[in-house]
Amino acid sequence: NAGVTQTPKFQVLKTGQSMTLQCAQDMNHEYMSWYRQDPGMGLRLIHYSVGAGITDQGEVPNGYNVSRSTTEDFPLRLLSAAPSQTSVYFCASSPGNGYTFGSGTRLTVV
Amino acid sequence: AQSVTQLGSHVSVSEGALVLLRCNYSSSVPPYLFWYVQYPNQGLQLLLKYTTGATLVKGINGFEAEFKKSETSFHLTKPSAHMSDAAEYFCAVSDKGATNKLIFGTGTLLAVQP
Repeated sequence: NAGVTQTPKFQVLKTGQSMTLQCAQDMNHEYMSWYRQDPGMGLRLIHYSVGAGITDQGEVPNGYNVSRSTTEDFPLRLLSAAPSQTSVYFCASSPGNGYTFGSGTRLTVV
Repeated sequence: AQSVTQLGSHVSVSEGALVLLRCNYSSSVPPYLFWYVQYPNQGLQLLLKYTTGATLVKGINGFEAEFKKSETSFHLTKPSAHMSDAAEYFCAVSDKGATNKLIFGTGTLLAVQP
């Protein structure tokens, strides 16, 4: 099992550009989440999903969209990147009693 | 709504000394509680978790934590610190309901002095 796979590992965007961070899991987990990590602020929940076709907002959803068309995939879309979105992004999946995390995507918006 | 408070953003201990990292939570429903560790430039690794049953939970690398409902606490301890324990530690809480949302504290950076 590969676990939770995130791509890309690093990305630099210009302000106003759009991009999609990919997340895939091969453990047949129902629950998936996206977090951003910023110094001194821990991990903050952006969006989460309780199953295919069902998503909801977390603590900091503004500027981000998600969809969950399959159990395996949970992409995170930035429609118009802003410098405030410079961060490390983590995707995670869970069967219901604890999450497994991907290795992260380091995003810089200039 | 759930929340987690980690007291002390930086903790420094000597090698061989007791490690105590504090975590208090707020939850309107019985919670699941977790401790994760993050080494520099790496992802998060699960140290231990409390879901049900025994309130003293043992994890990897000699760490343990005790769920105390009356104090709404889930403090992390290790009897003797090693240099390799230097990392950032995150406490997290999730509900047992339909959302399974996992909410993190702001983290504690542990330094181990020789």
